[in-house]
Amino acid sequence: EVQLLESGGDLAQPGGSLRLSCTASGFIFADYAMTWVRQVPGKGLEWVSSFSGGGGKTFYADSVKGRFAISRDNSKNTVYLQLTALRADDTAVYYCARGHSWESSMRFDFWGQGAPVTVS
Amino acid sequence: QSVLTQPRSVSGTPGQTVTISCSGSDSNLATNYVYWYQQLPGTAPKVVIYRNDERPSGVPDRFSGSKSGTSASLAISGLRSEDEADYYCASWDNRLGGRGVFGGGTKLTVL
Repeated sequence: EVQLLESGGDLAQPGGSLRLSCTASGFIFADYAMTWVRQVPGKGLEWVSSFSGGGGKTFYADSVKGRFAISRDNSKNTVYLQLTALRADDTAVYYCARGHSWESSMRFDFWGQGAPVTVS
Repeated sequence: QSVLTQPRSVSGTPGQTVTISCSGSDSNLATNYVYWYQQLPGTAPKVVIYRNDERPSGVPDRFSGSKSGTSASLAISGLRSEDEADYYCASWDNRLGGRGVFGGGTKLTVL
């Protein structure tokens, strides 16, 4: 059974930092692209960042480029999102999602339960 | 302002067919697949259509998708109360080195 378990969500001050983790199980982690999507409660989905499997290309939304960094440790089946220079509009629930293949796309077959981040 | 444009809400009565539109541009829908997600309250999104018009196993054939040029649509026929949810279109955008984009979401109400 595929499972994605996020952790690290917390309250942070403006300008502060957090690191979110997403630990996966039930599949060969290195073979799949991993993505972070966020959602302000009551609002829409926003794609944040993706890390492809295989060769490891990374992609970022304009709103977080230069402030957030995605990384992955295939030996630990974990993808990370380092959040720095946090702003109030980064407040959201951050979902980790698994892609359908190694290539980054917008098909996400599995999602985590979400990690709440509050910047205040 | 989302890169992909959806109506904020649609509604229908049980048994009807509703359609949700998604409008994009040459850098996303015209050249990349569209995906559709259903999000029930308090839950993570679930893909209901992938690669424009493919349905994952377990998704009823009442759900169908289409795409033409820079526009796409999701149709739900034989509307049921359990279809009431938020629906999002999504695609890859080729600008600025590549990025994912979602529509703003459409609230489907079953009257």
